Parts: sequence; structure tokens; C-alpha cells
Amino acid sequence: AQKITQTQPGMFVQEKEAVTLDCTYDTSDPSYGLFWYKQPSSGEMIFLIYQGSYDQQNATEGRYSLNFQKARKSANLVISASQLGDSAMYFCAMCFRDNYGQNFVFGPGTRLSVLP
Amino acid sequence: SQTIHQWPATLVQPVGSPLSLECTVEGTSNPNLYWYRQAAGRGLQLLFYSVGIGQISSEVPQNLSASRPQDRQFILSSKKLLLSDSSFYLCAWSVQEGTEAFFGQGTRLTVV
Repeated sequence: AQKITQTQPGMFVQEKEAVTLDCTYDTSDPSYGLFWYKQPSSGEMIFLIYQGSYDQQNATEGRYSLNFQKARKSANLVISASQLGDSAMYFCAMCFRDNYGQNFVFGPGTRLSVLP
Repeated sequence: SQTIHQWPATLVQPVGSPLSLECTVEGTSNPNLYWYRQAAGRGLQLLFYSVGIGQISSEVPQNLSASRPQDRQFILSSKKLLLSDSSFYLCAWSVQEGTEAFFGQGTRLTVV
């Protein structure tokens, strides 16, 4: 069964510093996708970055990069130059195909607090 | 461009009352549609997902049901709400063979 693990319930980072949020996943499927979402206090889920299981290069989107280590089954999110507005919950997720269609599984989340 | 609408944003309902949360997607056809529930400070729990009209997969036995009467409409319902149904409910869609899921604004339901 597919599973996402995020071992950091909460993280603190100083403004303008870089921070890494950990994510490990478990699947036996050869084809899957990995995502990171940001959820500010308003509750909306904001898509940040995507990594396909066959992608050779790590995904990057502005200040976000995904450190994809396939052999270790990890997909850590790196946020460079943290900003106060980055304070939020961050969820790692995976999409996969089951007998019914395309499904998603989410990790428990990491609460990031950026300190001024 | 594609957009997803979910309403209402907040809802307070008495125990035992019915529930209907609506989600619609614009700008795409034949999307996958999902209903998630999120307890305070917790991760997302998949409740239902649908790959087409009238096709609903129930992930977790609940006091809830889902329906997809039209291609881009997904409805979460309950006949009688329980106190434990209080939560944050999120609707999402994805392309059938695509990548990320896109989320609605969410509905914060409080059952009193």
C-alpha cells in the first residue's frame, strides 16, 4: 500500500535561511508522482512542486526545490531564502493508479514557522 | 483556465440535520473528483473519489455519501450529521492521466 511519512511535526527557520522538510514514501508501483502542497491558516491547499518517478532531474519552482532520492524513497522539499509568508503547514503527497483510477495519498504534514 | 468552486466556506449545522456540500469544476471535462476531510492540525483523509458520472469510490465508511450527478459536479451529503462530522472538508480535481490535484477553498463544518 502507498504511504507518505513526514517525521517533522513542526519546524522553525530564521527568515532568509534555507529549510528542508522531510518526506519519505512507500510504494511498489514503478510509476508515481510526488507533490508538495502548502496550506496557510486560511485552509486552502496550494500546489508547490511536482516530481515524476521517471524524472531524471530534481524539480525546481522558484525558491522551492525537491530533493528526489529514488533509491531512498525520499522527496524532501527545500525552501531557500525563507520568508515570513512561508509559515504554513506543508504536505507531501503521492499520486498513483489503483484499480479504480488515479488516487492521491497525503502525509500528516509539517508545520513550518519562519522567525523574523 | 480551470477553476474549482466549493461552497459554502463555513457552515454551522445542528446534530441530526442533513448536509449538502457542493463542488464544481470549470474549464475541463471528465476530471477526477475527490472529497477529503481534514481534522484540525492533521493531514488529509480521502473520503470519496470519482472518475466519472455516477462512479464513486468510497475510501472510508462514514456517515457521509457522495454523488456525481454531472461531469463537473461533486456533492458530499449526509442524512443526519453527527458531532464527529465537524471538520474541514476539501474538494479537489485532477486530470484523468495528469499530475497534481487542485483544491477548492474548503468548507469548515461545525456540528452543534
